[in-house]
Amino acid sequence: DIQMTQSPSSLSASVGDRVTITCRANETISRYLNWYQQKPGTVPRLLIYAASTLQSGVPSRVSGSRSGTDFTLTISSLQPDDIGTYYCQETYTSLYTFGQGTKLEIK
Amino acid sequence: QVQMVQSGAEVKKPGASMRVSCKASGYTFSDFYMHWVRQAPGQGLEWMGRINPNSGATVSAPKFQGRLTMTRDTSSDLGYMELSSLTSDDTAVYYCARESLGSASHFDYWGQGSRVTVSS
Repeated sequence: DIQMTQSPSSLSASVGDRVTITCRANETISRYLNWYQQKPGTVPRLLIYAASTLQSGVPSRVSGSRSGTDFTLTISSLQPDDIGTYYCQETYTSLYTFGQGTKLEIK
Repeated sequence: QVQMVQSGAEVKKPGASMRVSCKASGYTFSDFYMHWVRQAPGQGLEWMGRINPNSGATVSAPKFQGRLTMTRDTSSDLGYMELSSLTSDDTAVYYCARESLGSASHFDYWGQGSRVTVSS
């Protein structure tokens, strides 16, 4: 089975900081990796699909990239609205496995 | 606009079954897979399974096989998720989500969630 490992599990950064969250697959998933943001008490929101495609309406400060089985979500300049928990998800298999999540807070 | 409206909160006894509905609108129901995802209190997202509303074919996560039943009513644009033999570990918010069309699957619309509490 494919395992998705996110790091870090939590992160505290200041407004304006560049923030990076990583998701690593234990075997190839090609580009089939999505990122979601979930604010407390709300429904998950799609940010990035196919590793690097920005979902409509998502700010351009959010970006995604891939290097082999390592995937990165980057927020170029952290804003207060970016708080929440971020999840990666593989859709290479029919199991649609999520990572364990990265909780992002503002210092 | 696309909407997915789920049924309300429920409290169930251990050993019972639960059923959550998801009413789709704003798109052609049969054209998009419907997925079910759950989130236990304070925990992450867990994919449960999906249904092809056109054919009724389902795929379930191994963890739920034998306990999870997904169905649909295409005349009413409704999807249903039924989970049996409930334990306290099944206490969670249950979401339906639409899988987008195209070569790279992703969940572009989600229901608001249905909270299910399993307690004696």
